[in-house]
Amino acid sequence: DSGVTQTPKHLITATGQRVTLRCSPRSGDLSVYWYQQSLDQGLQFLIQYYNGEERAKGNILERFSAQQFPDLHSELNLSSLELGDSALYFCASSVHRGADLEAFFGQGTRLTVV
Amino acid sequence: GENVEQHPSTLSVQEGDSAVIKCTYSDSASNYFPWYKQELGKRPQLIIDIRSNVGEKKDQRIAVTLNKTAKHFSLHITETQPEDSAVYFCAAYVVFRNAGNMLTFGGGTRLMVKP
Repeated sequence: DSGVTQTPKHLITATGQRVTLRCSPRSGDLSVYWYQQSLDQGLQFLIQYYNGEERAKGNILERFSAQQFPDLHSELNLSSLELGDSALYFCASSVHRGADLEAFFGQGTRLTVV
Repeated sequence: GENVEQHPSTLSVQEGDSAVIKCTYSDSASNYFPWYKQELGKRPQLIIDIRSNVGEKKDQRIAVTLNKTAKHFSLHITETQPEDSAVYFCAAYVVFRNAGNMLTFGGGTRLMVKP
């Protein structure tokens, strides 16, 4: 167990719908990253938050948005869903302080758009 | 931004042989290079990492080398075992000012170890 919790584990929804994925980082970790992993593909960086603020943005679609709350949990919102959005969405967290840079991954949320 | 290229995309070796996976990165500011192993249906897990002030690091059967001048780093697995079969991801970590940072992953290598 990495200490990073993602909910739900599985999500099936229809095209055009909107979903919210939730991530609770490890206790004390200030940085949260979101990644998308399509079938047999690599890890595509979406967005990173540090202590409540957006710090880095990858290839995140305009239909997607995220935020990090004061208690440091994060949510990834996916709207106007398309079939191609079906993927495994990972959240990772790191304390990012001094030499401590290791990122720990949650177990992922598998999103299926039908 | 950072771009990380990883090769090969698939690698098949016989049990007991060595496996080498190579990555290149583009941003000279990258200063931390972790390697993650992802088993089927599971989350990526860190197996070894190296920082930009070190050229090589070993941990039992795995080792990582870093060439900062050439901007490439490699993962070496010796005496491979069937349980080493997984997808391996390299990553490069760029630390920006104001505490922002980005962990950019390579495309992954599917390693298959044949018994």
